[in-house]
Amino acid sequence: AQRVTQPEKLLSVFKGAPVELKCNYSYSGSPELFWYVQYSRQRLQLLLRHISRESIKGFTADLNKGETSFHLKKPFAQEEDSAMYYCARGETSGSRLTFGEGTQLTVNP
Amino acid sequence: EPEVTQTPSHQVTQMGQEVILRCVPISNHLYFYWYRQILGQKVEFLVSFYNNEISEKSEIFDDQFSVERPDGSNFTLKIRSTKLEDSAMYFCASSPSTAIPYEQYFGPGTRLTVT
Repeated sequence: AQRVTQPEKLLSVFKGAPVELKCNYSYSGSPELFWYVQYSRQRLQLLLRHISRESIKGFTADLNKGETSFHLKKPFAQEEDSAMYYCARGETSGSRLTFGEGTQLTVNP
Repeated sequence: EPEVTQTPSHQVTQMGQEVILRCVPISNHLYFYWYRQILGQKVEFLVSFYNNEISEKSEIFDDQFSVERPDGSNFTLKIRSTKLEDSAMYFCASSPSTAIPYEQYFGPGTRLTVT
């Protein structure tokens, strides 16, 4: 079975500090990797997908196939970044997403 | 911007009762999904639906569960005889196309409480 691991359930940083949310995935196939975010009382929404190599809200994530990682990074965290972040993998178009356990990020003023 | 909608937002039912959770996916989307999240656990895939049939289902999706797209807009999840362990947040999602990269758009969820 495919696996996605987010080792930190909780992560707390101060505003302006760098933040890195870790994600590792099981090595098989050619996965598509995503980061989803869930702000308080809101729905899950896509933040980033690895294939687009884009930066959204200052966040970036690089797929490292050697380390099977897809860590999410932001150089200067903002209070509005406080949310639950989920790493997820999909295999092919239309297939299931396998989610990690999620990391609750809190950015303190 | 179009969104996936789900009703009801919260459903309370007694063990053994049937429940139907409803979803309206984004109108031009082709793939539809149900996921669930038991409190404190990860989001888990239940089933995907394409071209009016199930395309993939997980081991969680046993004979108690069924999905239907009855009228071309709604997408429903039925649990025939609910158990206490079915208490969870149920998310519907839809996906626009067969092209990669694809993304799944999630609804706000239905909280199911089985007593």
